[in-house]
Amino acid sequence: GENVEQHPSTLSVQEGDSAVIKCTYSDSASNYFPWYKQELGKGPQLIIDIRSNVGEKKDQRIAVTLNKTAKHFSLHITETQPEDSAVYFCAAVKNSGGYQKVTFGIGTKLQVIP
Amino acid sequence: DGGITQSPKYLFRKEGQNVTLSCEQNLNHDAMYWYRQDPGQGLRLIYYSQIVNDFQKGDIAEGYSVSREKKESFPLTVTSAQKNPTAFYLCAAGQGATETQYFGPGTRLLVL
Repeated sequence: GENVEQHPSTLSVQEGDSAVIKCTYSDSASNYFPWYKQELGKGPQLIIDIRSNVGEKKDQRIAVTLNKTAKHFSLHITETQPEDSAVYFCAAVKNSGGYQKVTFGIGTKLQVIP
Repeated sequence: DGGITQSPKYLFRKEGQNVTLSCEQNLNHDAMYWYRQDPGQGLRLIYYSQIVNDFQKGDIAEGYSVSREKKESFPLTVTSAQKNPTAFYLCAAGQGATETQYFGPGTRLLVL
C-alpha cells in the first residue's frame, strides 16, 4: 500500500521567515496531493493541492511543488505570520475502485515565533 | 468547515457502552468518510461510503459500525468491542475519486 513520510515533525521559525515541509510517497498511482492545516481542536482545512500533471502551484504566500520522478512534494510558506502556527498534513490520493484512497503524513507542528 | 457538521464536540463513554457520533453534510457529496486521529499517527480510515445504503471497511474498522440511510448523514457507532476508543474522530465528504475531501470540526471521545 501507499506510504507517506513527512518531515520535519516540528518546525519553529521566526515571524517573516519561510517554512518548508517535505513529504515523500511510495505509490506511483497516487495522482493528487492535498495539504491540510489543522488548528488545535478543529478539523483539517484544505489550504492548497496539486495534481500529478502539474509541477508547481502557488496561492499568495503558500506554494506546493511536486517531483513525480522522485515521488516527493513540498509545502512552502513565505513571510510566515503567527496565525500560520498549526499542524500541517500532507496526503497522497489515488483512485481505488472508484473511491479516494487517501494516505496522510503524520503531520508537522509549525510554530511561528513573533 | 465546508458544510459538514459533527456532534457532539465532546463525548464521554462508560465501559461497555456503545456511543454514536453524528455527521451531517450539505455539500451534496456522494462519498463520506470516518477517520480516527491519534497523536503522532496522522489520520486513519475507519469506514467509508460511496453511495447511500453502501459502506466499506477502512484500515481500522474493528469495534466500529456505520450506516448510510441518507445521503446527508453518516453516523459512526463506537461499540464496546473497541477497547481503546479515546481519540479525535473526523468525518469527511468528497465527490468521487478525484475531488478534495472536506472535513468536519471533529468529535473528541473520552472514556470515563
